[in-house]
Amino acid sequence: KAGVTQTPRYLIKTRGQQVTLSCSPISGHRSVSWYQQTPGQGLQFLFEYFSETQRNKGNFPGRFSGRQFSNSRSEMNVSTLELGDSALYLCASSLAVSGNTIYFGEGSWLTVV
Amino acid sequence: AQTVTQSQPEMSVQEAETVTLSCTYDTSESDYYLFWYKQPPSRQMILVIRQEAYKQQNATENRFSVNFQKAAKSFSLKISDSQLGDAAMYFCAYRSAKETSGSRLTFGEGTQLTVNP
Repeated sequence: KAGVTQTPRYLIKTRGQQVTLSCSPISGHRSVSWYQQTPGQGLQFLFEYFSETQRNKGNFPGRFSGRQFSNSRSEMNVSTLELGDSALYLCASSLAVSGNTIYFGEGSWLTVV
Repeated sequence: AQTVTQSQPEMSVQEAETVTLSCTYDTSESDYYLFWYKQPPSRQMILVIRQEAYKQQNATENRFSVNFQKAAKSFSLKISDSQLGDAAMYFCAYRSAKETSGSRLTFGEGTQLTVNP
């Protein structure tokens, strides 16, 4: 059974550009969440999508957005990149049943220069 | 809002010895889940162990066990017979059981565990 797959794994962008990260959840998982991990702020919840609808949102500016497709694959987009957006972006999926185990992908490393 | 605190930024243990990582949390909810995740240098988060708040019995997974003290809001991880492969960053995480909270996890700051041969 394939795990959570994130692409691309590494990317470098310039300030002001935008970026799109992709996440394919484990087959059958309908909930996809995104987290930002930085040395200074730790792991912070960005948003969660379930059945193509955003179910929860963290405390991030509107430059951070996401969506989920009918096959449960999810994308997150960051527009007008800032240096502070450099981070590891982790995607997680679950069956969305209360208490169900949440599985993480290997992350996408974003460097903004 | 819930918060999770790990007061030990770094810990070290000798191979084959036992180490305990601490975690405290703050919540007004009575039903929730607690997790320990391991993040090795590859940076993939790996679930180590989980605990349901409604269960009094402490969870155990092979060499990993927890000491869950609900009243004290404490959730420590004990690693027995430590192995070199246990070296990683360990995160304590909280998940509400409320349907409206979905799959959102709140993480602690992490504890970097070093295992010395």
